[in-house]
Parts: sequence; C-alpha cells; structure tokens
Amino acid sequence: DAKTTQPPSMDCAEGRAANLPCNHSTISGNEYVYWYRQIHSQGPQYIIHGLKNNETNEMASLIITEDRKSSTLILPHATLRDTAVYYCIVRALTSGTYKYIFGTGTRLKVLA
Amino acid sequence: GAGVSQSPSNKVTEKGKDVELRCDPISGHTALYWYRQSLGQGLEFLIYFQGNSAPDKSGLPSDRFSAERTGGSVSTLTIQRTQQEDSAVYLCASSARQGVSIEQYFGPGTRLTVT
Repeated sequence: DAKTTQPPSMDCAEGRAANLPCNHSTISGNEYVYWYRQIHSQGPQYIIHGLKNNETNEMASLIITEDRKSSTLILPHATLRDTAVYYCIVRALTSGTYKYIFGTGTRLKVLA
Repeated sequence: GAGVSQSPSNKVTEKGKDVELRCDPISGHTALYWYRQSLGQGLEFLIYFQGNSAPDKSGLPSDRFSAERTGGSVSTLTIQRTQQEDSAVYLCASSARQGVSIEQYFGPGTRLTVT
C-alpha cells in the first residue's frame, strides 16, 4: 500500500495561507490523493482529492507535484475554525476494496 | 440532506459484555465502511459492505468482532466479550458507490469505553 508522511504539527496565523505538505513517494499511477480533516470529537470531513492535476474547490487547493511523489494542501485564508487534524491519504485498492489508509495526520493550529 | 448518523454517541460497558453499534448511512449510498480510531491515532479500517454483503472483512481485529448490514442500509457492528483494548471511537462512513475517485462521508462516531 502507498503510505503518506506528514509533519505532526503546524501553526498558522489567522488570515494567512496554511500550506500543509504530504509525501507519498510510493504512490502508483492510478491512486488518488485525498485530504480529510478531523475537528475535535467529530468524524473526518472530506476536503479535496486529485490524481495529477492541481485542484481547487470552495474549501482549499491541492497542488500535486509532476512526479506525484508529494502534494500540498492550501487553505488560502485560515480561520480559527480550521484548527483540526489534517489527513493526507492515498486511496488504495486493497483486497478489492477502495479503503482509506489513514496515518496520524498534521495537527494544524490557527493562531489569533 | 441528512448525513451519516451513528448511535449511541457514547457507550460505557464492563469488560466481558457484548455491545452493538449502529450506523445509518446516507440514503442511497451502497457502500458502507467501519473504521476504528484509538486515542491519538489515525483511523484503522475494519470492514466494508457493498449492499448487504461484506467482500472485505480484512480489518476486523478478532473473531469477537462482527458486522451486518440489512436492507442495503443500516449496519450494526457487534463486539462480543469486550476487552479494554477495544476502547476507541468507532466511525462509520458511506459512499455512493465503490470507486477510486469517490469520497466517503463519515458519521460522528461512537465512543466506546470498556471498564
């Protein structure tokens, strides 16, 4: 299975862009990169996903390097409510199931 | 529309007792997943349902764990003879179908504490 590596924690000033990196050097050609976040005591919330092109939605942007070995999630104007654990996940087809394999994520703290 | 719901939200049980955790997926979602999250850890996959069948049970940690899904909708995760190491948050997710680019929607979880 492809694995991901993320820094355990990051701080970001409110109103600034938060750039969360993720390494997935063993990703294979048909595996997507997904980002979820988990606010304390809630279930994970879908943010964005991509294959090889950069993606943007109302929540965030996803930048994937050309070799697909790493990606960056960008929250353009972080707010205090963006404080959460952010998970970068490679969607793996394992035993016939498209399951998520979660790591321990990056704990983002947005500072006032 | 309504999201994924789970009940109970909290469950405290004595070691050795059986527990049942319930998941109501988003209406019309055919795929349903159970995950477990221990304190401070990432999510651990347990089992996947497509309709009422479970083609992938590879994540169930022992034969004390079982799950079923009826009517292609509600799912129940049962833990028999609970142990303290079963204490965790149990999360359910559903998706419209299986597929590499299909996102999953998670419920709020059931926090299980085994004393």
